[in-house]
Amino acid sequence: KAGVTQTPRYLIKTRGQQVTLSCSPISGHRSVSWYQQTPGQGLQFLFEYFSETQRNKGNFPGRFSGRQFSNSRSEMNVSTLELGDSALYLCASSLGVGTVGNTIYFGEGSWLTVV
Amino acid sequence: GNSVTQMEGPVTLSEEAFLTINCTYTATGYPSLFWYVQYPGEGLQLLLKATKADDKGSNKGFEATYRKETTSFHLEKGSVQVSDSAVYFCALNTGTASKLTFGTGTRLQVTL
Repeated sequence: KAGVTQTPRYLIKTRGQQVTLSCSPISGHRSVSWYQQTPGQGLQFLFEYFSETQRNKGNFPGRFSGRQFSNSRSEMNVSTLELGDSALYLCASSLGVGTVGNTIYFGEGSWLTVV
Repeated sequence: GNSVTQMEGPVTLSEEAFLTINCTYTATGYPSLFWYVQYPGEGLQLLLKATKADDKGSNKGFEATYRKETTSFHLEKGSVQVSDSAVYFCALNTGTASKLTFGTGTRLQVTL
């Protein structure tokens, strides 16, 4: 069974540009969530999607957005990039329904560097 | 709101030493608790989890017990190996959603 797949793995962007990151969840998982990891702020929750609907949102500016498609694949977008957006962006997937304490699986992440 | 507090690292141990990484939490309701591990340059791997009080999660020699009375979920391993060197994150979530609240992470360095 394939794990959570994120693309691209590494990218470099210039300030002011925008970026789109992609995530394919584990087959059968309907919930996809995104996290930002930086040395200074640690792991911070961005948003969660379930059945194409945003279910939860973290405390990030509107430049950060996401969406989920009918096949559960998800994308996140960051517009007007700032130097502080340089981070590891992690995607996670889970069944999202049913039992409390669903196991949440993470991808390898997308390393974004803004110059 | 929810929060997780982990002991500050780095933790440096000799191979075969006993490991404890402390984790305490504050949460509304009854959270599920997790330990994740991150090796250099990689994403997060689930190490173990517990979903209710007194549950013990275990995997690869690591154990943690969900202690509701002390709101703790300390990670232990009886004999660490060099290959266990990584950053360990304690996390919680509530309900069926997938929003995890993480601790700051504890770096473990194991030397020969």
